[in-house]
Amino acid sequence: KNEVEQSPQNLTAQEGEFITINCSYSVGISALHWLQQHPGGGIVSLFMLSSGKKKHGRLIATINIQEKHSSLHITASHPRDSAVYICAVTLRGGDGGSQGNLIFGKGTKLSVKP
Amino acid sequence: DTGVSQNPRHKITKRGQNVTFRCDPISEHNRLYWYRQTLGQGPEFLTYFQNEAQLEKSRLLSDRFSAERPKGSFSTLEIQRTEQGDSAMYLCASSLDGTRGYTFGSGTRLTVV
Repeated sequence: KNEVEQSPQNLTAQEGEFITINCSYSVGISALHWLQQHPGGGIVSLFMLSSGKKKHGRLIATINIQEKHSSLHITASHPRDSAVYICAVTLRGGDGGSQGNLIFGKGTKLSVKP
Repeated sequence: DTGVSQNPRHKITKRGQNVTFRCDPISEHNRLYWYRQTLGQGPEFLTYFQNEAQLEKSRLLSDRFSAERPKGSFSTLEIQRTEQGDSAMYLCASSLDGTRGYTFGSGTRLTVV
C-alpha cells in the first residue's frame, strides 16, 4: 500500500463544475503539499498545509490531521485547470522535526472540457 | 532569481552511454532534491543534499547513479551505463530548509534507446 493515496486517478469535468480531489496518507507528516503538473513536466507548488484550510483564487485546500486526509477543491473549473494534481507529504522525523524529502501520490489527471 | 533551472530539458542517449544532468537551485536554498518520475506515476525520491553534503540516498539510486553538489550550489546527477529502464523524467527541487515550500525545476526527460 502506498503511503500517499489519491482519488480519483482520472477526472473529467465540464467547465464551471466544482471539483474535489482527495488525498489520504498513512504516515506521520509535518506538512502536506498540493502540486500541479502540466504536460512537459514542470511542477508548481499550489499549497503547503499543516492544519486547517487555505484558499488561493479558485483553489481551496483542506486537511484533517486526525483523519490523515486532505482535499483540493477547484471552484468554477476552467479548461486551463486541466493538469495532473499531485498530493505529497513531508515526513515527520523521529525527533519531531521534518526529514525534508517528499513522498508523492500518483497524481490525479484532471481534464476540464469547454 | 529565475527559480530552479535544469539542463538539458531533453536527452536521448544510446543504451550503455553515460549521461549527466545539471540542476541550479534557488541561490539561498540550502536543500536540493533529485526525484525520478516515470509515466503515470508520481515522482520518487532519489537523493538530497544539505549544502554540499549528500544526506540521504534512496534504494532506487543504484551504483550506476551518482550525484554531487560541489560548493553547495549547483548539483549534477550522472547515470553511467544507461539502461532502457532509466528512461524517465528527472526532477530537481530546492528548499530553504525542508520545512517550507519547495520549488521545482522543469525536469530533464531522458530517453534511452
